[in-house]
Amino acid sequence: SYVLTQPPSVSVAPGQTARITCGGNNIGSKSVHWYQQKPGQAPVLVVYDDSDRPSGIPERFSGSNSGNTATLTISRVEAGDEADYYCQVWDSSSDHYVFGTGTKVTVL
Amino acid sequence: EVQLVESGGGLVQPGGSLRLSCAASGFTFSSYEMNWVRQAPGKGLEWVSYISSSGSTIYYADSVKGRFTISRDNAKNSLYLQMNSLRAEDTAVYYCARGVRQQLANRRLDYWGQGTLVTVSS
Repeated sequence: SYVLTQPPSVSVAPGQTARITCGGNNIGSKSVHWYQQKPGQAPVLVVYDDSDRPSGIPERFSGSNSGNTATLTISRVEAGDEADYYCQVWDSSSDHYVFGTGTKVTVL
Repeated sequence: EVQLVESGGGLVQPGGSLRLSCAASGFTFSSYEMNWVRQAPGKGLEWVSYISSSGSTIYYADSVKGRFTISRDNAKNSLYLQMNSLRAEDTAVYYCARGVRQQLANRRLDYWGQGTLVTVSS
């Protein structure tokens, strides 16, 4: 089955840039989606199709995908960005949704 | 406004059964794929099951195949998850989530409910 690997944690100072990676075999050939989950809340889609943003999501959230790594970038980080972030792809070989292991973003 | 409201969670003994429901509103339910995703306490997201808009195509995670059954009633704008032979490792918050298919190999979950907690314990 397809595996997506994320770093367990990323720490960033307010106003700086956070980069969260999502590693997978030839992930660049897939469409990657990212979700933000704050404590006690449901996940929220923040980036889809590698780099597009749903309406209402700040431009500070951006994404890229190439080779074996997809990246979610949060620019000008704010305290309210502190959350868990998950990448996700559709694995057509198994007809399964696959989520990454998740990354906890801490704003210092 | 899209709304997904889960219900039916609770405490159940190992080996027992539970049926979860998800009431949908604010969109044309019969036009969308739907899913169940769960999250064990302190753990990450785990996809559980998928059902197509008509209900004709269904997929399950290996961890629940043969024990869980997903279904939908488009006339009632409702999604269900029948869970049998429950185990301690099924303890989790269960979310229903609306699916969007961009292409054959591209699916995402654009709206999620708030979840319902299932606890399997004696």
